Amino acid sequence: KAGVTQTPRYLIKTRGQQVTLSCSPISGHRSVSWYQQTPGQGLQFLFEYFSETQRNKGNFPGRFSGRQFSNSRSEMNVSTLELGDSALYLCASSPDRERANVLTFGAGSRLTVL
Amino acid sequence: GENVEQHPSTLSVQEGDSAVIKCTYSDSASNYFPWYKQELGKGPQLIIDIRSNVGEKKDQRIAVTLNKTAKHFSLHITETQPEDSAVYFCAASIPGSSNTGKLIFGQGTTLQVKP
Repeated sequence: KAGVTQTPRYLIKTRGQQVTLSCSPISGHRSVSWYQQTPGQGLQFLFEYFSETQRNKGNFPGRFSGRQFSNSRSEMNVSTLELGDSALYLCASSPDRERANVLTFGAGSRLTVL
Repeated sequence: GENVEQHPSTLSVQEGDSAVIKCTYSDSASNYFPWYKQELGKGPQLIIDIRSNVGEKKDQRIAVTLNKTAKHFSLHITETQPEDSAVYFCAASIPGSSNTGKLIFGQGTTLQVKP
């Protein structure tokens, strides 16, 4: 079955702009988590959605937001982009509440902020 | 808060040798410990995981051991092959968020297997 699909794979933005990233989870998976990966900070948890509700949130500013749709697809948005937002943004899905921490990651969306 | 430390940051071995990567976690209430492999241009891939009620788990050439008393867990790869070359991450669940997608990750180990 298809894995986790993230679009776009690469994008370049300038400071002050906003960006929206999309994630389609594995069919049947209801939980979607987002992570930011940078060389300096490693993998950091952004937020998690389950059945269209945000269940967890990491320590990121309010410029980072997300949502989940009824078909479990998820989007994350970063507003007023800063240079430090350049990173690989990873989406992961998991099958159910009991195995919500068993994550399958997508290939990521690489964001470059100039 | 919860913290996971991973060592070494880089590891180079000859093909056929074993590789061991170690992680230490800070909160004794963590109960789920996965290991991920990330190849260039790809997302992390779950390769093995262990829960706190088990001391060891093995899957072909890969094994993970957990020492709850010392709060550390290790990844063991035997008979390494060039295709094992990648970055490996350990992670731990966060107490209070155990059945969620919120994990805390180690900083990663770049494993190079020389033919």
